[in-house]
Amino acid sequence: RKEVEQDPGPFNVPEGATVAFNCTYSNSASQSFFWYRQDCRKEPKLLMSVYSSGNEDGRFTAQLNRASQYISLLIRDSKLSDSATYLCVPRGGFQKLVFGTGTRLLVSP
Amino acid sequence: DVKVTQSSRYLVKRTGEKVFLECVQDMDHENMFWYRQDPGLGLRLIYFSYDVKMKEKGDIPEGYSVSREKKERFSLILESASTNQTSMYLCASKGPTNTGELFFGEGSRLTVL
Repeated sequence: RKEVEQDPGPFNVPEGATVAFNCTYSNSASQSFFWYRQDCRKEPKLLMSVYSSGNEDGRFTAQLNRASQYISLLIRDSKLSDSATYLCVPRGGFQKLVFGTGTRLLVSP
Repeated sequence: DVKVTQSSRYLVKRTGEKVFLECVQDMDHENMFWYRQDPGLGLRLIYFSYDVKMKEKGDIPEGYSVSREKKERFSLILESASTNQTSMYLCASKGPTNTGELFFGEGSRLTVL
């Protein structure tokens, strides 16, 4: 089983829609989790950190379900600028972050 | 503003050549990382370093080596480049706090012919 699994998408949604991505992880010892955003041909950048059951930042909500070992990212009121690939990143061993392959989101007018 | 700089954005090398990819960060971070990113495989960790002259193997170290002689600089070396090392290489740095924020460079796209 892969350490991190994400649906590659693409998820095609209209502006204003609500969209959610899930990510499953295999290392039950992971204590912290992160969502990174990567624009086309750009480097990844941190979007959100999730340390307990969840985190909310404006239109973005991340939730953690430790029992089922998955993390979700919910985006409300999608904007064109939200089009990107979203990478799920559980924290593994010492300083080691394990990146998922990402879920691609396309927001259309 | 934080900055991770990779010296070459695009490189084309021939099979068997020795390749150096340089990365410099200006944030005084202890931890530095080299990843490669391939379609469908995501980011895979090659090597990381948590201090000067210290290095640890990541998930795919074969065919690579690294050098960390100064805190701000972390170099990735391909001793004898092969075509399967054609990829996007991303350097990142991270501070000592218990956060997940990696700061990435813009990447070096290497093509091995």
